[in-house]
Amino acid sequence: QSALTQTASVSGSPGQSITISCTGSKNDIGSYTYVSWYQQHPGKAPKLIIFDVTERPSGVSDRFSASKSGNTASLTISGLQAEDEADYFCASYTSRSTWVFGGGTNVTVL
Amino acid sequence: QVHLQESGPGLVKPSGTLSLTCSVSGDSISSSNWWSWVRQTPGKGLEWIGEIYHSGSTQYNPSLYRRVTISMDKSNNQVSLRLNSVTAADTAVYFCARMTSTWYGAFDYWGQGTLVTVSS
Repeated sequence: QSALTQTASVSGSPGQSITISCTGSKNDIGSYTYVSWYQQHPGKAPKLIIFDVTERPSGVSDRFSASKSGNTASLTISGLQAEDEADYFCASYTSRSTWVFGGGTNVTVL
Repeated sequence: QVHLQESGPGLVKPSGTLSLTCSVSGDSISSSNWWSWVRQTPGKGLEWIGEIYHSGSTQYNPSLYRRVTISMDKSNNQVSLRLNSVTAADTAVYFCARMTSTWYGAFDYWGQGTLVTVSS
């Protein structure tokens, strides 16, 4: 199975909003609402920040929001802060009853 | 609080077998959850390896299924990973992660990860 496609890197200034895209196919993102997003700081484990396409776990900042259209899911970080500098990964369920992750997007706060 | 901890050899010889254990505390692996293994090659993305359900049923990444086995030891509340015939391409940080039936589709707890290097 092929990894979901993410932009390699995105940058923004503090306070700005940025959007990360995650493109799959009709066999994963396009057919299921089991899309999630993870934040990973260097040397740390991934942290769940979005599940079920748009839902935030308790404790996750409401500056993180997400959506899906067709085969593409998107994560938006509003009011960018220095602590948001990290790698972000998307994940989706697939038609083969497996899970697939994206290649990751490095977010830099300028 | 749920805690997952991976353990195992940090160095495996080419063609050998990679064996890791995920010790779970704060939750029972016999509960209605899925327990996955995910790996991350240095500087790269995440790759889902496979999962095991509390019933013992498993699902594997099609690209790895011929070489991988995930099992559970309910008496010790541990989930294990075995990957056969390893090569340098299997060098990665290996994570175990939980997915619940309540939040199906979300890996909500992760271990800290353990680096496994394949080298002679």
